[in-house]
Amino acid sequence: KNEVEQSPQNLTAQEGEFITINCSYSVGISALHWLQQHPGGGIVSLFMLSSGKKKHGRLIATINIQEKHSSLHITASHPRDSAVYICAVRGGNQFYFGTGTSLTVIP
Amino acid sequence: EAGVTQSPTHLIKTRGQQATLRCSPISGHTSVYWYQQALGLGLQFLLWYDEGEERNRGNFPPRFSGRQFPNYSSELNVNALELEDSALYLCAGGPRLAKNIQYFGAGTRLSVL
Repeated sequence: KNEVEQSPQNLTAQEGEFITINCSYSVGISALHWLQQHPGGGIVSLFMLSSGKKKHGRLIATINIQEKHSSLHITASHPRDSAVYICAVRGGNQFYFGTGTSLTVIP
Repeated sequence: EAGVTQSPTHLIKTRGQQATLRCSPISGHTSVYWYQQALGLGLQFLLWYDEGEERNRGNFPPRFSGRQFPNYSSELNVNALELEDSALYLCAGGPRLAKNIQYFGAGTRLSVL
């Protein structure tokens, strides 16, 4: 059983659509990260959350500690948002990762 | 300011050989994390170094090892390479006092033939 579960695994959207990616975890955590991985493998850290909500441009991340759940929202999606989005949590001295959500935004 | 740098970008080895991968964190950062991302699998935690010491390791065999140098750069060594070691190896660095913050490098793609 994975400590971090993401859904959906794959997502195709039309440009302009509102997108939600979900992450559930089963371990006690000190922080949750949302990562973006582009083709070729490079990873960019989008958000680090320990409570509440954060917003950066068209991206919004929320976390509910009691329910052990986080969501990443993309408003007005654009083809350049096409990437794999990975949820990661820090539990103790270790990071646990979801398997990622592959997002394709079609013009 | 330079980000986290990894070298080489690509590495091709044959089964049984040894591979050495290198990572330099952002200047002033003391923590280095190593991850493996095999094809079709998510990121797997390998090793964590902080201030020269191994702090934690993931569920990998002993032939995966590493070290951190006084300048906080790090090496990941994989001995007796197996085909399934083919993967993208990502390094992330972070500051000592903010252990949740990680900055990722671009990765080394290791191919074992």
